[in-house]
Amino acid sequence: EVQLVESGGGLVQPGGSLRLSCAASGFTFSTYWMHWVRQAPGKGLVWVSRISPDGTSTTYADSVKGRFTISRDNAKNTLYLQMDSLRAEDTAVYYCARAPGGTYGVDYWGQGTLVTISS
Amino acid sequence: QTVVTQEPSFSVSPGGTVTLTCALSSGSVSTSYYPSWYQQTPGQAPRTLIYSTNTRSSGVPDRFSGSILGNKAALTITGAQADDESDYYCVLYMGSGIYVFGTGTKVTVL
Repeated sequence: EVQLVESGGGLVQPGGSLRLSCAASGFTFSTYWMHWVRQAPGKGLVWVSRISPDGTSTTYADSVKGRFTISRDNAKNTLYLQMDSLRAEDTAVYYCARAPGGTYGVDYWGQGTLVTISS
Repeated sequence: QTVVTQEPSFSVSPGGTVTLTCALSSGSVSTSYYPSWYQQTPGQAPRTLIYSTNTRSSGVPDRFSGSILGNKAALTITGAQADDESDYYCVLYMGSGIYVFGTGTKVTVL
C-alpha cells in the first residue's frame, strides 16, 4: 500500500524557517517524481514544487521561488521541503504527493501537515 | 499569469449526470496539458480521480470519466451519488515543470 506521511509542520514567526519531511513507503520511491502542494485555510489547492526521481531537476511556483527548496533522499525514501523567509501567506496545509511521470499530475497524496506563520 | 478556471458550483440530482470543465485564461486545453482531476471533502486530503486526460486512478469507479470538450478539459460524473458531494479540482501541466491548479468546483447532490 502506498503511504506518504508528512511531518515538520508547526507555528513559525514571519521571516523564520521550517523543514517539512515526507516519508514514503509501499512503492519504489526512487523511480517517481514527487510534488508539494499547499492549501491555505478555506482556499483551493496550489502547486508548490516538483522534483525528479534522481533529484537533479526541480521546479517551483513563482510565489516560493528563491525561498523554498525541494530535495529528496532516495536511500531514506524521504522527500523534503526547506522553507525560508516565511510569510503570513505561506500559512497552509502542505501535502506531499507522488506522480507517475514527468508531465502527469499526482496520483497519491499524503494527509498533509499544517504550517502556520504568525507572530 | 496563467489562470485555470472552473465553475464555482454545480448542483446535480441523485442519479443525474454533471460535467465540470477546466479552462485556460488564454488558449485551449488539449491533451498536451495532461489534465488531472481531484476530489476533496472538507478536512480530508485530495483524492486523485483522473490523470493524463482520461486515465482513472486505481479504485476510482467508472462513473467518473475525463475528456477534452471543445477547448476545455472535462470531468463527467454519471449517476451521481450522495458521497460525490465534494470539491473538485483540475490541474494542468504548463510545460517546463510548472503546474497550475484550477479554481475548484463545489458539487452539491440534492
